[in-house]
Amino acid sequence: AQKITQTQPGMFVQEKEAVTLDCTYDTSDQSYGLFWYKQPSSGEMIFLIYQGSYDEQNATEGRYSLNFQKARKSANLVISASQLGDSAMYFCAMREGVKAAGNKLTFGGGTRVLVKP
Amino acid sequence: GAVVSQHPSRVICKSGTSVKIECRSLDFQATTMFWYRQFPKKSLMLMATSNEGSKATYEQGVEKDKFLINHASLTLSTLTVTSAHPEDSSFYICSARSGQGASNEQFFGPGTRLTVL
Repeated sequence: AQKITQTQPGMFVQEKEAVTLDCTYDTSDQSYGLFWYKQPSSGEMIFLIYQGSYDEQNATEGRYSLNFQKARKSANLVISASQLGDSAMYFCAMREGVKAAGNKLTFGGGTRVLVKP
Repeated sequence: GAVVSQHPSRVICKSGTSVKIECRSLDFQATTMFWYRQFPKKSLMLMATSNEGSKATYEQGVEKDKFLINHASLTLSTLTVTSAHPEDSSFYICSARSGQGASNEQFFGPGTRLTVL
């Protein structure tokens, strides 16, 4: 079974509008971390935002916010006020607790975002 | 954030030759380094996890003798693709982190694009 699922392979968004990228995860661990990365066409992986499983508040970093719904096991990324430079591939990832999964990041399939002027 | 470098950024080689890719953490000590492989328009697939001074742990389906990983110091890990074939052509990305636990960020290198002719 997929541990990280991103159901949107691609999305268009109008410049200056907000966009929500879906991510659901599957784990039996109580302690885990959820990450979002941006990968532009250059290939580099850019860290955007992190949410710990015990964090009570949703994480925010500038224009990025994470809508964490623990009971639903979802960690959607919201990008506000989209800019042309936001066009990229976005990956959701999870690291499970120290005892499980070798402490490694597992990535979802990614969502390609194209911002239209 | 911390910086991870990879060298070379691009390499083209003939079938049957071996290629070495270096991954360095420039401003922190990386207790763990990860090697990923990414096919075009696909997600990152973890190949192996290496801890300094010990043998790498390979993911299922990854040939240990084909992809040799050496993590000789806390700042350097190398991936050697032995007897490369065209199907080994891919984008290889390394990642490094220090410490344990779900919250520690992983820093990614810029990637190496390997083309085997």
